[in-house]
Amino acid sequence: GNSVTQMEGPVTLSEEAFLTINCTYTATGYPSLFWYVQYPGEGLQLLLKATKADDKGSNKGFEATYRKETTSFHLEKGSVQVSDSAVYFCALSENSGYALNFGKGTSLLVTP
Amino acid sequence: SQTIHQWPATLVQPVGSPLSLECTVEGTSNPNLYWYRQAAGRGLQLLFYSVGIGQISSEVPQNLSASRPQDRQFILSSKKLLLSDSGFYLCAWSPTTGTEKLFFGSGTQLSVL
Repeated sequence: GNSVTQMEGPVTLSEEAFLTINCTYTATGYPSLFWYVQYPGEGLQLLLKATKADDKGSNKGFEATYRKETTSFHLEKGSVQVSDSAVYFCALSENSGYALNFGKGTSLLVTP
Repeated sequence: SQTIHQWPATLVQPVGSPLSLECTVEGTSNPNLYWYRQAAGRGLQLLFYSVGIGQISSEVPQNLSASRPQDRQFILSSKKLLLSDSGFYLCAWSPTTGTEKLFFGSGTQLSVL
């Protein structure tokens, strides 16, 4: 079956530090990959996505590259801000399916 | 623009009591609708999805049921809650063309005591 594994949190970083949140997946086919973010007090929202191998998704300074050879989709940002504090979810979707499989989520706290 | 409403935000219920969580979507027609649950220490788990009125697919056998009485209304229910039903429940919708973008409600924190 399909599954997503994310690094355990919480992650605490100082402002302007480099961020990496690891995500690996298991899938029977060729899924699309996503990062969702949940800011405090808000619902989940799509951060970025990639639909095929070697694609790079990017948004708000965040990037993730779809690596089929390592079955990974790690989230990176060169310089985090306090406003990036949130919970980040990696997810996958089989292109012929209806729903997403989510990882457990990684809590990020950025301190001034 | 589309909006999704989910209520209540928090709920404390005794074991054995019934449950009804409601979710409505505005500004779109014939959406795909979903109920997810996030239990402590676990990831988001898909419980039910619906592609149309009266069409419900269950992903995980459990103590819960879902109904879609109207195009933009999705209800999560239980006749008798268990302790293990505690968690954070999220309703979501997506366009009928696919699941690449899910729009989530703000969630319901359910505590079964």
